[in-house]
Amino acid sequence: EPEVTQTPSHQVTQMGQEVILRCVPISNHLYFYWYRQILGQKVEFLVSFYNNEISEKSEIFDDQFSVERPDGSNFTLKIRSTKLEDSAMYFCASSGREYNEQFFGPGTRLTVL
Amino acid sequence: AQSVTQPDIHITVSEGASLELRCNYSYGATPYLFWYVQSPGQGLQLLLKYFSGDTLVQGIKGFEAEFKRSQSSFNLRKPSVHWSDAAEYFCAVAANDMRFGAGTRLTVKP
Repeated sequence: EPEVTQTPSHQVTQMGQEVILRCVPISNHLYFYWYRQILGQKVEFLVSFYNNEISEKSEIFDDQFSVERPDGSNFTLKIRSTKLEDSAMYFCASSGREYNEQFFGPGTRLTVL
Repeated sequence: AQSVTQPDIHITVSEGASLELRCNYSYGATPYLFWYVQSPGQGLQLLLKYFSGDTLVQGIKGFEAEFKRSQSSFNLRKPSVHWSDAAEYFCAVAANDMRFGAGTRLTVKP
């Protein structure tokens, strides 16, 4: 069964450092998403991506964040200068059609020290 | 912008009992509606979704949900809960973007 994969499973970084979280969506999907979940809180939408550009982004997705699909398989989230409050679980998802069934990856736990 | 409210933070039911998790949304039109389940340390798994048509939708693991336009609700139900259903349940609404409710933690008593 196809699945979304994410690497690394856990990333520890120092405040102010750049991090890149990687995702491999399901191969025939066209829509890609990033979400975050701060410990004990709800899942928050960050950004959706289609046809090599951002479709929607939330107020959380400020200039510190960027997304990229550098090749035919990977979908990355970059945080340019991490802050303590960026510590969270980051989930990637993909779907065949916009907001249709989204398949979620297992998440990357980001810890900013 | 759309929003989602899950009024119950934590619900405890006995194994074999029925379950209803509440979800209310706010949006000008009928959005796409979803229920996801998250087990500890895991990602989110889609239980069911509503886009249009029959307002009672069936999902995986014996779950169903009913869309009630007049009440702006999309409550999740299961007639008989199993111990393995213990998890966090999230209602979500998709219109311009995807918004999740705060979640309801389900505890199942033996």
